[in-house]
Amino acid sequence: GENVEQHPSTLSVQEGDSAVIKCTYSDSASNYFPWYKQELGKGPQLIIDIRSNVGEKKDQRIAVTLNKTAKHFSLHITETQPEDSAVYFCVEGSGNTGKLIFGQGTTLQVKP
Amino acid sequence: DVKVTQSSRYLVKRTGEKVFLECVQDMDHENMFWYRQDPGLGLRLIYFSYDVKMKEKGDIPEGYSVSREKKERFSLILESASTNQTSMYLCASSLRGVEAFFGQGTRLTVV
Repeated sequence: GENVEQHPSTLSVQEGDSAVIKCTYSDSASNYFPWYKQELGKGPQLIIDIRSNVGEKKDQRIAVTLNKTAKHFSLHITETQPEDSAVYFCVEGSGNTGKLIFGQGTTLQVKP
Repeated sequence: DVKVTQSSRYLVKRTGEKVFLECVQDMDHENMFWYRQDPGLGLRLIYFSYDVKMKEKGDIPEGYSVSREKKERFSLILESASTNQTSMYLCASSLRGVEAFFGQGTRLTVV
C-alpha cells in the first residue's frame, strides 16, 4: 500500500536562499505526485504536480523532480520570499482510483 | 470555482455522542476524501470514496464510518465520539488523478 515519508519536518532559510523538501514513497504503481501548500487557517492548495512519465517539472521559482527507480521525489523553491512561509505536503497518488496519501508536512520559515 | 463546503467550522461534542460531519462539493467530482490533521502528523486519510456508495479505508478508519449516497455529498460519522478524536477534519474532492480541492475544515472538540 501507499506510504509517504517526508523530510525535514521544519526548515528555516534566509530570504533569497533555496529550500528543498524530500519525500520517499512505497508503492511502485503510484503515478501522480502533487505538492500542496497550507497557509495558516486554510485548507491545503495545490502548487505543482508531476506524473510518473516525467522526471522534472518547473514553474517559475518552484521545481519538482521524480526518481521512479529510487521512489524519491523532491520540491525545490529558489529565491525564497517571506510569503513562501507555510506548511508543504508531498502526496502519493494512485493512478487506479485517485487515492491521495499525504506526507507528514514540512513547516518552512523564510526569514526576512 | 470549485467549492467544497463542510457543514461546521467548529464543533463541540460530548464523549459517547454520535457525530456527523457533512461535506458537499459542487463540481461533479468522482473522488471524495476525509482526512484528519494533527500537529506533526500531517494529513492522515480516514476514508476515501471513488464513486457513489463506494468507499475504501484509509490509514486510520477505526472509530469512523462514512456514507456516500449521492455524488456530491460525503459524510463522516463518529459512532461514539472519544476525546482522542479531537482534531481538525478536512474534506476534499477531486476528479481521478488530478488536483484535490479542500473545504475549510471542521475543528472538532470532544469533551
